[in-house]
Parts: sequence; C-alpha cells; structure tokens
Amino acid sequence: DGGITQSPKYLFRKEGQNVTLSCEQNLNHDAMYWYRQDPGQGLRLIYYSQIVNDFQKGDIAEGYSVSREKKESFPLTVTSAQKNPTAFYLCASSPGGPDYGYTFGSGTRLTVV
Amino acid sequence: GQSLEQPSEVTAVEGAIVQINCTYQTSGFYGLSWYQQHDGGAPTFLSYNGLDGLEETGRFSSFLSRSDSYGYLLLQELQMKDSASYFCAVRDRNYGQNFVFGPGTRLSVLP
Repeated sequence: DGGITQSPKYLFRKEGQNVTLSCEQNLNHDAMYWYRQDPGQGLRLIYYSQIVNDFQKGDIAEGYSVSREKKESFPLTVTSAQKNPTAFYLCASSPGGPDYGYTFGSGTRLTVV
Repeated sequence: GQSLEQPSEVTAVEGAIVQINCTYQTSGFYGLSWYQQHDGGAPTFLSYNGLDGLEETGRFSSFLSRSDSYGYLLLQELQMKDSASYFCAVRDRNYGQNFVFGPGTRLSVLP
C-alpha cells in the first residue's frame, strides 16, 4: 500500500545535538512538507519542496534544515540552533496542484532531555 | 498574512448533527480543506472546496461561501469514533499555494 513513513516515532535529543527525522513516501507525489505541531495547537509549516533538489522555507524554518535529493525522501534536521524543539513533527506529501489534499505520515514526537 | 478562526471545542451526543465553522482572512484564497486528527495521530484529509456550495462525502459535508470568507464542516449521525480535532485549512496563492491551518476544533461525542 502507498503511504508516507516517518521514523522514528519517538526521539529524544540532548541539548546541543542535531537530530534528523526521516520521511519517505511511495505515492509518487511531487510535493512534500514538514509541519510542527505543539500541544493543543494547529500545524505550522517549517519547509516544503515542490520538486526534487528544490525546497523553500515556511513560517518557522529557523533552526531547521532539509534536503530533497530524491523524490521519495525529505529528511528534516533539527539543529542545535532550534531553541525549543520539543514538538510533534508531521511530514506530508501531495501530488501538486491546488485541488489536492495532503497525505500525512504518522509523525515523530521529539523531546529534548 | 492569513488568519483562520474556529471554535476551540464542540460537544455533541451520539446520533446528533454538529457543525464546525471556519472563518478566514487572506488575500490569496484558493480553496478550503478540512482535516481530522485523532489524539496522537496524523491528520487525515476529509474534503476540499474550491467553489461555493456544499460537498457531501458520506456522513460528512463541507460548505464554502467565498463572498463571506466562511466555511463549515457538517458531521451527521455522530459516532463515538468522530471524537477528534478538526482543522480547516486554506490554500493560499500568496503562500506558495500551500495550506495554512486553523487552530483546530476539538469535538467530543458523548454517549
């Protein structure tokens, strides 16, 4: 079955560490997205990519980095510059075009210890 | 920029009908979507309205009025499993045609 796989499901980070969250899709979607969700709040866009080897900053890109070397993969690195990284991170993909909704992965819950 | 408003919480009983409203402000509106998210889970796509009017998908319907910058999600024959958070999301031309999500409405369905 096609879908989006995020790993790991839970991740613990020490202060000052960089960590990378994986996102892989086999839906053949062109566009991929990373969102951050804090408790009881909506989703905020971190980065998005409409095509391989191209990506754009969202509203809260500071302290994060991404790459899009393959159509299927869009990893997110949370760097030590992100001062408050504890959150639920969601990856999504879309065929592209305005009439399509997003398909989301099951998320990674990141906690700073 | 953009702003979306939804009620923070709604409570209803099994078998009832509930309407979750969404008002938005954006200069680049393209369409309105609704997503459902159970606690700890991923949002799932429910509907998309690009034109005014009502879209029906089983027990769920979604409505859009572009002139009023307003939409709603209507859930009929409520079931316990419908207890979740519901997010409206605006597709915005001025935001890379990406979706901007509202704060979410937590729906509690009581027996």
